[in-house]
Amino acid sequence: KAGVTQTPRYLIKTRGQQVTLSCSPISGHRSVSWYQQTPGQGLQFLFEYFSETQRNKGNFPGRFSGRQFSNSRSEMNVSTLELGDSALYLCASSFGAGQTNYGYTFGSGTRLTVV
Amino acid sequence: DQQVKQNSPSLSVQEGRISILNCDYTNSMFDYFLWYKKYPAEGPTFLISISSIKDKNEDGRFTVFLNKSAKHLSLHIVPSQPGDSAVYFCAASNAGNNRKLIWGLGTSLAVNP
Repeated sequence: KAGVTQTPRYLIKTRGQQVTLSCSPISGHRSVSWYQQTPGQGLQFLFEYFSETQRNKGNFPGRFSGRQFSNSRSEMNVSTLELGDSALYLCASSFGAGQTNYGYTFGSGTRLTVV
Repeated sequence: DQQVKQNSPSLSVQEGRISILNCDYTNSMFDYFLWYKKYPAEGPTFLISISSIKDKNEDGRFTVFLNKSAKHLSLHIVPSQPGDSAVYFCAASNAGNNRKLIWGLGTSLAVNP
């Protein structure tokens, strides 16, 4: 079956703009989590959506938001982009909420560069 | 403040030998620990996990050891193979935090033929 698909793979944006990233989970998976990966901070949890509801949230400012659709696809949005938002954004899907081991599958990520 | 620390950014090992990757944590509430492996241009993939009620979990060539009193866990790979060359991430979570994963910065393992 198809894996977790993240689009686009690469993105360049200007400071102050907003961006929307997309994540299509594995078929049948209902949970989608988002992470930001930077060299200095590593992988940091952004939020988790399960059945269209935000179930868990990390410590990021309100400029970072997300949503999940009825088909479990998820989008995350970053408004008023800052240079420090440049990172690899990863999403992971799983069948159940809060599941992080077997079956927790990551996509290849979207590389966002803010200039 | 890193709650999960992987103090060795990189490790180089000869093929066939043992690789030992270390991870320390500061939050005594963590009760579940995981190791992920990441190849370039791919997302992390789950490798092995351990609950705080155990001190060892084994899966083929991979064994994770947990020392709760020292707040330390390690991943042993025996024997190491060139295909094991990747970045290894340690992560931890606790039920009280809704199983939110806290990640280390990773250790890059190079297994030389």
